[in-house]
Amino acid sequence: RKEVEQDPGPFNVPEGATVAFNCTYSNSASQSFFWYRQDCRKEPKLLMSVYSSGNEDGRFTAQLNRASQYISLLIRDSKLSDSATYLCVVIAYSGAGSYQLTFGKGTKLSVIP
Amino acid sequence: DGGITQSPKYLFRKEGQNVTLSCEQNLNHDAMYWYRQDPGQGLRLIYYSQIVNDFQKGDIAEGYSVSREKKESFPLTVTSAQKNPTAFYLCASRRGQGGTQPQHFGDGTRLSIL
Repeated sequence: RKEVEQDPGPFNVPEGATVAFNCTYSNSASQSFFWYRQDCRKEPKLLMSVYSSGNEDGRFTAQLNRASQYISLLIRDSKLSDSATYLCVVIAYSGAGSYQLTFGKGTKLSVIP
Repeated sequence: DGGITQSPKYLFRKEGQNVTLSCEQNLNHDAMYWYRQDPGQGLRLIYYSQIVNDFQKGDIAEGYSVSREKKESFPLTVTSAQKNPTAFYLCASRRGQGGTQPQHFGDGTRLSIL
């Protein structure tokens, strides 16, 4: 099983739709979780952290399910500008004071007029 | 404004040539990273450094070299031993020596072979 897995998509959704992505991780020692957005031919940009209790930022909601080892990102009222690839990042303690950071390969979202 | 600056934005390499990609940050971050991204693919870690004068190989270090003589700078050299260097190269940094902090990225360098 890969350390961090995402459905590559593409997810093609109409404007105004609600869409959700999941990201599963295999390391039960994982401690920090993030969602990034990457536009075509651009660098990844931090979208939001994922907290244990779940957190919301406008139309975006991130949740963590430690028991099933996955994080999710929900986008409500999709806009054309939400079209991008969404990457999840998982950070786990790897011993001797070190932490390992692992990126998923990303889920591509296309919002259609 | 604090940030990470990568240069050049576009770079062309001739066969047998070494080229160096620059990465500078003024965020006072200790940890810095280099990734390679091929079209339609995820990020692959080349090298990382958690502190000045120290760095470790990532998953695909062969054909690359780095140095970390200053906290602000983490240049990547793509050597002639790297036979397929065409890719999007991303530099990142994060606070402290990494820990549980997120990474912040520069805007990348696109390298192509002439």
